[in-house]
Amino acid sequence: DAGVTQSPTHLIKTRGQQVTLRCSPKSGHDTVSWYQQALGQGPQFIFQYYEEEERQRGNFPDRFSGHQFPNYSSELNVNALLLGDSALYLCASSSLAGGREQYFGPGTRLTVT
Amino acid sequence: QKEVEQDPGPLSVPEGAIVSLNCTYSNSAFQYFMWYRQYSRKGPELLMYTYSSGNKEDGRFTAQVDKSSKYISLFIRDSQPSDSATYLCAMRDRDDKIIFGKGTRLHILP
Repeated sequence: DAGVTQSPTHLIKTRGQQVTLRCSPKSGHDTVSWYQQALGQGPQFIFQYYEEEERQRGNFPDRFSGHQFPNYSSELNVNALLLGDSALYLCASSSLAGGREQYFGPGTRLTVT
Repeated sequence: QKEVEQDPGPLSVPEGAIVSLNCTYSNSAFQYFMWYRQYSRKGPELLMYTYSSGNKEDGRFTAQVDKSSKYISLFIRDSQPSDSATYLCAMRDRDDKIIFGKGTRLHILP
């Protein structure tokens, strides 16, 4: 049983560019949450998707947007990249009808230069 | 005051010792409490997931929740060098919003 997978592993972008990160949830999970983790900090909640809708959102600007597909996989898009967007982006999946424990993927390390 | 406070460490203990990791929180709406372990450059791994006040044990790990004091702990018995990692506490409210602590870096010395 594959766990949560994310792609790509690493990414280097230039300030002002746009980026798309991808996540496939654990088998049986229907909910995907995205987090940003800066170096030396805990993960910060960006948003959560369920049934292809954004269910909850943290304190992140509209430059951060997402999408969930019918197969429950998800994308995180960040527009107009800033140097401060450099971080580890984590995807977590869970089952809304189940125990709601969130299981994380390995993350995508984004570097903005 | 931050919603979740966690001492960043680092915390260094000799192999075989009992490790105690702690977090405090201010939001009484938190209902679920988690501990994650994160190795360098990896995603967090769920260790413990608790709902009520009291203790929950899983192998060498014990999670303790005191809702009246807004204080949670993770104890690791018979610590091993492989336990060296960053430990993150996390808390969830009834709307599924999860707030993480900053993480405590733990070093187990052989």
